[in-house]
Amino acid sequence: EDKVVQSPLSLVVHEGDTVTLNCSYEVTNFRSLLWYKQEKKAPTFLFMLTSSGIEKKSGRLSSILDKKELFSILNITATQTGDSAVYLCAVEDGNKLVFGAGTILRVKS
Amino acid sequence: NAGVMQNPRHLVRRRGQEARLRCSPMKGHSHVYWYRQLPEEGLKFMVYLQKENIIDESGMPKERFSAEFPKEGPSILRIQQVVRGDSAAYFCASSAFGSNTEAFFGQGTRLTVV
Repeated sequence: EDKVVQSPLSLVVHEGDTVTLNCSYEVTNFRSLLWYKQEKKAPTFLFMLTSSGIEKKSGRLSSILDKKELFSILNITATQTGDSAVYLCAVEDGNKLVFGAGTILRVKS
Repeated sequence: NAGVMQNPRHLVRRRGQEARLRCSPMKGHSHVYWYRQLPEEGLKFMVYLQKENIIDESGMPKERFSAEFPKEGPSILRIQQVVRGDSAAYFCASSAFGSNTEAFFGQGTRLTVV
């Protein structure tokens, strides 16, 4: 059965800290891996990764994929309270996205 | 260009009633995906529809659940004879070209069965 596992389940940090969120996966028909941010509403897209070893960056966020070891990480540097959210990892498997349970990040001021 | 619109945002139903969840895709989008998010779990794929066709319903429970996306109007996810275990957030996403990686999510409908 396809599965996506995220760790840690939850994390509390102080503003300015750097965090690393992990996502490992086992899917039959991998096409891409996506990261989303969810703040009590619609998940909003962050990154899509298809190739190993190529880092994607957007401001303080970056992500990389390792297709050999079947995992991805999402880094957030200099965290701010506005980064508090659930971060979802999803893997594209044919017609559907297979989501992990998410990592709850809380950034304290 | 309005985003993906779901309504209602919150729905309370008694056990045994029917729940109808609506999803209006973004303008120009003809592909719709429904996902269910149980408390403290990730989103689980339910069904993928294109106008007037169900493309993939491999994630739909076999009984009580149905979905449609008519030629005109929103996509509807229908749950008959709801049970407490149906309480969840139901998200819809739409895309223009059938790529779920380019899909935009709606705000979700939170269904509570009492």
